[in-house]
Amino acid sequence: DAGVTQSPTHLIKTRGQQVTLRCSPKSGHDTVSWYQQALGQGPQFIFQYYEEEERQRGNFPDRFSGHQFPNYSSELNVNALLLGDSALYLCASSPGFREQETQYFGPGTRLLVL
Amino acid sequence: QKEVEQDPGPLSVPEGAIVSLNCTYSNSAFQYFMWYRQYSRKGPELLMYTYSSGNKEDGRFTAQVDKSSKYISLFIRDSQPSDSATYLCAMSKGVGYKYIFGTGTRLKVLA
Repeated sequence: DAGVTQSPTHLIKTRGQQVTLRCSPKSGHDTVSWYQQALGQGPQFIFQYYEEEERQRGNFPDRFSGHQFPNYSSELNVNALLLGDSALYLCASSPGFREQETQYFGPGTRLLVL
Repeated sequence: QKEVEQDPGPLSVPEGAIVSLNCTYSNSAFQYFMWYRQYSRKGPELLMYTYSSGNKEDGRFTAQVDKSSKYISLFIRDSQPSDSATYLCAMSKGVGYKYIFGTGTRLKVLA
C-alpha cells in the first residue's frame, strides 16, 4: 500500500516564475492538505481540499492556489514566486470528515527560489 | 504569541536516557494532539495520536496530555541514536480541522 507520494522531489525556480506541485493521497483517503515548512520551523497550513473543493485556508496570499481531481490527487500552484517561498512543501492526506484519523504526510517537495 | 510553543533545542542525551519533549498551547479548543518525528530532509512521520486528556503508550513512546494546564509531553524510554531527529507536536480542534504545529525540537542521542 503506497503512502502519500509527491512530485517532484526538488525544484529550482527564479523569482516571478510559477510552479506546480503534485500529490497523490494514501489509498482510501479523500482529503488532502498542503503545508509549507520553512527551514527550522514547523509546517504551516496552506489549504485543504475535500470533494474537489477548498474547505479550509490558512494565512497565505492568493498567489497560492490548488486543485483536487476526481481521483483525490491534488496540485498546489504558486504564482509570482518570491524568495521567501523557498521551503519544503508537504502534502498530507486523511480520510476526511467521516472519522477521526490523523493526517499522513508525504516526503515533500523542496522548492528553492533564486 | 504563537498558538503552540515548543522549545527548539537542540537537546543532546546519552544513549539509553529517558527523553522528555514538551509543548504548550493557548487555544483551549484543541481536542486532538499528535507527535511527529521528522528526519532531516524528510516528511513528518506520525508517532503518537491522542484525543483529549490522558496518557497513551506505544512501545518506548508515551504521550501525555494535560488540557487543564494546556501542556503536552512525549517521553522516549531507552533512547537510541536512531531516535535523533526533530520532534514536532501538532494539534487540531476536531475532525478534519487543520493542524497547528510547534516549531519542533531537535533531539540528538549520543552513542
